[in-house]
Amino acid sequence: DTEVTQTPKHLVMGMTNKKSLKCEQHMGHRAMYWYKQKAKKPPELMFVYSYEKLSINESVPSRFSPECPNSSLLNLHLHALQPEDSALYLCASSHSKGASYNSPLHFGNGTRLTVT
Amino acid sequence: KNEVEQSPQNLTAQEGEFITINCSYSVGISALHWLQQHPGGGIVSLFMLSSGKKKHGRLIATINIQEKHSSLHITASHPRDSAVYICAVSSSGSRLTFGEGTQLTVNP
Repeated sequence: DTEVTQTPKHLVMGMTNKKSLKCEQHMGHRAMYWYKQKAKKPPELMFVYSYEKLSINESVPSRFSPECPNSSLLNLHLHALQPEDSALYLCASSHSKGASYNSPLHFGNGTRLTVT
Repeated sequence: KNEVEQSPQNLTAQEGEFITINCSYSVGISALHWLQQHPGGGIVSLFMLSSGKKKHGRLIATINIQEKHSSLHITASHPRDSAVYICAVSSSGSRLTFGEGTQLTVNP
């Protein structure tokens, strides 16, 4: 069982839809991350939140909009996506302050997104 | 050349065999992570190390900072160890850089 919970597990959406991915952790971690992973490739960092503030945006298109309502929750709002955005979206958290990546990452099981 | 290179890319073993996966990196690091990803997608952090050796059950991870090399060993391998194993490095104030992963299949 993972301590980082992601919902939904699977999502199919059209290019005109608006949907949200959700991530929750109750380990007291203050750094939370969104990664995108294509098949047979390593994860690619999208966003990092540190103490509920966005600290890293890896030049992600504006059709992806992250939100951190509180220290336990992380959302990824999706709008006007393209078929090439289909991927596994992974949430992670860690104790790290900022984005120094010097403590273990705890990953969720991911949301498998298909854009039609 | 990638900053983090893993070998082999694919590895097939028989149950009970001793397995080694290697990771070489070309940048200065503050820590190296070994991660495990099962077909369902979830990633588990196995080890984070910056020197020496760590052991957890049948898994052992070593790192040689001078040679910029790390190994992940699995003793008495089991079919449930079948997964993708990913090496990743972190540098101070920088991003986590991932290797391409090693697909391990352990046959009964």
